[in-house]
Amino acid sequence: EVHLVESGGGLVQPGGSLRLSCAASEFTFSSYGMHWVRQAPGKGLEYVSGISSDGGSTYYANSVKDRFTISRDNSKNTLYLQMGSLRVEDMAVYYCARWDDYGSGSNMDVWGQGTTVTVSS
Amino acid sequence: QSVLTQPPSASGTPGQTVTISCFGSSSNIGINYVYWYEQLPGTAPKLLIYRNNQRPSGVPDRFSGSKSGTSASLAISGLRSEDDADYYCAAWDASLSVPVFGGGTKLTVL
Repeated sequence: EVHLVESGGGLVQPGGSLRLSCAASEFTFSSYGMHWVRQAPGKGLEYVSGISSDGGSTYYANSVKDRFTISRDNSKNTLYLQMGSLRVEDMAVYYCARWDDYGSGSNMDVWGQGTTVTVSS
Repeated sequence: QSVLTQPPSASGTPGQTVTISCFGSSSNIGINYVYWYEQLPGTAPKLLIYRNNQRPSGVPDRFSGSKSGTSASLAISGLRSEDDADYYCAAWDASLSVPVFGGGTKLTVL
């Protein structure tokens, strides 16, 4: 069964940094683009970032541009999100999702269980 | 403020048909595929409809999607208690160059 497992969440002070990871299994990771999506407490889904299968193209929401960096290591089947200059409004559950139709759509066909980021002093 | 607009809530009784709307613009729904996601309480979102009206394997045919112009709809027929969840629409936005979501609709099965 296709599986995504996020990790790396935790408590960080405003202005701090954190790196999230998403470990993929049971599919050819290097053939798929990947997304990060977040959900603040009690709020809806918000797109964060995406990356092509080879890492050559990246996409960012305006709210995180220049503060977050998405990357991937296809040899380790792992997706990353390096988060910097964190703000209280970045506090959320962060989900990684598989990008099923890169180049023709934005399908998120498999999701991880999420990792929680808390930004507080 | 979400780029795609959904009603915040909807409700129905078991067996009824409920429709959830999603309004966008010429830069997103008007030119790109629409996707629908279901999120049960305390769980991760799950893909319900892709490419406007396609169901992944395992999704019951009680769920159907449609698109017309810059709007889309999700219909749920034969409503069941387990459909009590949040539903989100999404589409690629050509102006922002990222996918955008609706604000979500909380469906209550009375």
